[in-house]
Amino acid sequence: QKEVEQNSGPLSVPEGAIASLNCTYSDRVSQSFFWYRQYSGKSPELIMSIYSNGDKEDGRFTAQLNKASQYVSLLIRDSQPSDSATYLCAVYNNAGNMLTFGGGTRLMVKP
Amino acid sequence: GAGVSQSPSNKVTEKGKDVELRCDPISGHTALYWYRQSLGQGLEFLIYFQGNSAPDKSGLPSDRFSAERTGGSVSTLTIQRTQQEDSAVYLCASSLSGTADTQYFGPGTRLTVL
Repeated sequence: QKEVEQNSGPLSVPEGAIASLNCTYSDRVSQSFFWYRQYSGKSPELIMSIYSNGDKEDGRFTAQLNKASQYVSLLIRDSQPSDSATYLCAVYNNAGNMLTFGGGTRLMVKP
Repeated sequence: GAGVSQSPSNKVTEKGKDVELRCDPISGHTALYWYRQSLGQGLEFLIYFQGNSAPDKSGLPSDRFSAERTGGSVSTLTIQRTQQEDSAVYLCASSLSGTADTQYFGPGTRLTVL
């Protein structure tokens, strides 16, 4: 079983809709969670980090964390074609001092 | 300020040759990470440096891979006797102090082994 799981997609949503990206992780003691966006041919860039249970909002983005269910999600409101990219969920592993990445979900926002 | 830089941006080599990839982290960042991303895949962690030391090298795929960091700054990843399965994008990231700090990625080096 992979440590960080994501649906590879593609997830297709119409422009203006809410895109919901999900991620589950296996290490119960993980404390830090990150969402990165990666455009095709580019390197990952950080969108949001979340450390506590609940929601964290930043503009059109909301990260949600549920440690009991070992689940973290990213919501993108008012999706734009420019949001089309692969979204990588990353979980910080205290023991190894490393980020473990999921395989990424490809999001396609159609005009 | 300047971000993480990597060189070369592209490298084509023949099977069996050695290659050296370079990463220059953000100034002042003590932690440096190497990842590998194969086509259409997620990121595979290779090695992490805190200062000049690498506490855990178990992520390196084989003994053909080695990495060093000198002066707490520039790092090089060396792949000896390259194989076709080594073809991937090699990404370097740095963070201020390690732990759970945000990692900032460089543009990557695309390695193609013929």
